[in-house]
Amino acid sequence: DTGVSQNPRHKITKRGQNVTFRCDPISEHNRLYWYRQTLGQGPEFLTYFQNEAQLEKSRLLSDRFSAERPKGSFSTLEIQRTEQGDSAMYLCASSLGDREGEQFFGPGTRLTVL
Amino acid sequence: AQSVTQPDIHITVSEGASLELRCNYSYGATPYLFWYVQSPGQGLQLLLKYFSGDTLVQGIKGFEAEFKRSQSSFNLRKPSVHWSDAAEYFCAAGSRGFKTIFGAGTRLFVKA
Repeated sequence: DTGVSQNPRHKITKRGQNVTFRCDPISEHNRLYWYRQTLGQGPEFLTYFQNEAQLEKSRLLSDRFSAERPKGSFSTLEIQRTEQGDSAMYLCASSLGDREGEQFFGPGTRLTVL
Repeated sequence: AQSVTQPDIHITVSEGASLELRCNYSYGATPYLFWYVQSPGQGLQLLLKYFSGDTLVQGIKGFEAEFKRSQSSFNLRKPSVHWSDAAEYFCAAGSRGFKTIFGAGTRLFVKA
């Protein structure tokens, strides 16, 4: 068990560019979550998957954001036409469906939009 | 609205002193409650959790927390703080079928 991994760890991009982040959950976990964390705040829920189905999306997830988990394993989070306000740490977590809330977090991807 | 409040943005304690971090929640029903710790450059690590039963729960690294329904609180405690405990601590609430909500965090500083 190698834990939850996220790539890249850091991303610097210019405003208007598209970025994509990847999350590899713990292998037997069927639930996968994305959060956004800004300085001085706790993680804010963005979306979550059970297997390949996206079950809930936050209002924070504008139409510029899209997440996929095509085979129920790894997930990608894409941000189109990035804005400076998108600068944040993007966290991924996974859990077993029957232990709702007991989530295991990855180290995060820090996005800086110039 | 569902919310988790951590009243203290930061706390400084001396090494070896006791620690209590406060957490209050507002939720439709008794939620699952969690404390996570986040060190710089690291992901969040679960310290302990409360689902039901005994209201005093023990966690890793010598931490414990007490659920008080009447006060809607879930305070984190440690009898003797070590310098390595310096980090950011997050309280969180969730329930089956609903998203987990995090507090804004309390940063702990430990002085020698």
